Amino acid sequence: GQQVMQIPQYQHVQEGEDFTTYCNSSTTLSNIQWYKQRPGGHPVFLIQLVKSGEVKKQKRLTFQFGEAKKNSSLHITATQTTDVGTYFCAGERTGANNLFFGTGTRLTVIP
Amino acid sequence: GAVVSQHPSWVICKSGTSVKIECRSLDFQATTMFWYRQFPKQSLMLMATSNEGSKATYEQGVEKDKFLINHASLTLSTLTVTSAHPEDSSFYICSAKKQGYEQYFGPGTRLTVT
Repeated sequence: GQQVMQIPQYQHVQEGEDFTTYCNSSTTLSNIQWYKQRPGGHPVFLIQLVKSGEVKKQKRLTFQFGEAKKNSSLHITATQTTDVGTYFCAGERTGANNLFFGTGTRLTVIP
Repeated sequence: GAVVSQHPSWVICKSGTSVKIECRSLDFQATTMFWYRQFPKQSLMLMATSNEGSKATYEQGVEKDKFLINHASLTLSTLTVTSAHPEDSSFYICSAKKQGYEQYFGPGTRLTVT
């Protein structure tokens, strides 16, 4: 079945350091989405990538979709304490309506 | 726009009882609604996909007779956990999707079965 893995599972960084999480799908995706979930909260949509090789930026966040549309990454430059949370990728297959969430990366930022 | 609400936000029930959770899209009509379950420190697991007016499609391993889903209108879906047991305690999250747009998530319902 569909599997979406993320690495690392946990990441502790000093405030100001960069952070990257990687997402890999066992199957080709039609699009990939990224979500952030704060402790005790629900997932909040960050972005959707659709095109092969696509790169999108949101301030300090850079999202990339692989050429084969099976992997993606999220890079945060100069982390801040407000970046704390779990980041999930979620993939959608062509012709399907449902999302398969990655295993998530929990980011802790040490002030 | 694109607000999804869930009710209740948290519920405690006794083992053997049933609990109903509502998911509403407040400012749009959702062609499809999804139900997820999230155990502590784990990812969201899709339980079922429901389209208005038709039977829900359940993911492998999810008991359809235990987790009853009703999608009576384009703005409301309900999940009923029947004969709840402590192992059903979890965070249940719904999402709603407009055709051609991303999924919008509700705030979640935390269920504790004692």
